[in-house]
Amino acid sequence: QVQLVQSGAEVKKPGASVRLSCKTFGYTFTKYGLSWVRQAPGQGLEWMGWISAYNGDTNYAQKFQGRVTITTDTSTSTLFLELRRLRSDDTAVYYCARDDSWYGHDQWGQGTLVIVSS
Amino acid sequence: EIVITQSPATLSLSPGERATLSCRASQTIDTQLAWYQHKTGQPPRLLIYDASNRATGTPARFRGGGSGTDFTLTISSLEPEDVAVYYCQQRSIWPNTFGQGTKVEIK
Repeated sequence: QVQLVQSGAEVKKPGASVRLSCKTFGYTFTKYGLSWVRQAPGQGLEWMGWISAYNGDTNYAQKFQGRVTITTDTSTSTLFLELRRLRSDDTAVYYCARDDSWYGHDQWGQGTLVIVSS
Repeated sequence: EIVITQSPATLSLSPGERATLSCRASQTIDTQLAWYQHKTGQPPRLLIYDASNRATGTPARFRGGGSGTDFTLTISSLEPEDVAVYYCQQRSIWPNTFGQGTKVEIK
């Protein structure tokens, strides 16, 4: 069955970078897009960006432009998120989600907690 | 950017009651709207796509409706397992913005 398995929790200092991974199983990787969505403590869901696993096209939320890079490795069916110049308000659970253009985010990873603290 | 506004922020109802959640887009999005259920400690789950289509596994008591700028999610008879935060997301243009969520509680 379809699974998205995310990397483990991270603790980072302000100003550092973090790279999260999301390995996918059970479907043809290049047939879907993938997105990153985060949830800060006590807050709602926030869409960060999307990548086409077919051709690598990306779209990012304006607030993350210049600080975020979303990539894929089609040889391992893995999605990555790099977030740079971390701030304390980047503390959140980060989810990867398969993105079907018709259905929406129909499969989700289990989430990765990122804590940014000095 | 399309702004999505959900109301109410919290809904507190008894089991068996009908729950009606609203979602409004700042500009027309046709029917390009999805609803997600997010329970504490779990990833979100897709409930409804294209405004009114139930995703695989979504119980029949969940019904989505609306088009243009105004949408609703109705839970016809609330069950204890429906306690969650419900988010709508517009899928019309980038960025695919979420509403701030409606928390559904059981009295």
